[in-house]
Amino acid sequence: NAGVTQTPKFRILKIGQSMTLQCTQDMNHNYMYWYRQDPGMGLKLIYYSVGAGITDKGEVPNGYNVSRSTTEDFPLRLELAAPSQTSVYFCACLRGGSWDYGYTFGSGTRLTVV
Amino acid sequence: AQTVTQSQPEMSVQEAETVTLSCTYDTSESNYYLFWYKQPPSRQMILVIRQEAYKQQNATENRFSVNFQKAAKSFSLKISDSQLGDTAMYFCAFISGNTPLVFGKGTRLSVIA
Repeated sequence: NAGVTQTPKFRILKIGQSMTLQCTQDMNHNYMYWYRQDPGMGLKLIYYSVGAGITDKGEVPNGYNVSRSTTEDFPLRLELAAPSQTSVYFCACLRGGSWDYGYTFGSGTRLTVV
Repeated sequence: AQTVTQSQPEMSVQEAETVTLSCTYDTSESNYYLFWYKQPPSRQMILVIRQEAYKQQNATENRFSVNFQKAAKSFSLKISDSQLGDTAMYFCAFISGNTPLVFGKGTRLSVIA
């Protein structure tokens, strides 16, 4: 099993461009998450989903949108990219189907906005 | 809201020595879990160890162990016999119920040969 798969691994965007970060999990879990990691700042929650059709904002949702049409996929959309969105983005889902085992993470997407 | 604080941005340790990384947290919840994640240069997030709040016994995983002080809301990670492969960022994290995982800012650990 692949677990959580993120694409692309790297991307450079110009200011004002848009893109979608893809996230797919094959563990059939309802709970999925998007975090961003900035140097020295840990991981901050952008959006999360508790199942298909249900999404909610995290700590830093501005500039992003999500959708959850299937259990497997949880794409993150950046509209009008800004330099402040330069970061590493991680998708995750519950590990083992229960919150007491934390999360399984994808390998991350390094995004640079120039 | 829960918060997690890691007060050591960077640490270093000699190979084969022991190092302790600190973490404190704040919560009003009684049932929760605490985690340490390792992030090597590959960027992958790897679960190192977990501790359930209701268990008084400190968790251990091979060379990794924790010192969980529930009253003090402290959750430190001890790495024994440090190896070069332990060089990484280490994140302390907290979860309770269905609220999303909350992370500290991380400690960058360098193991020196």
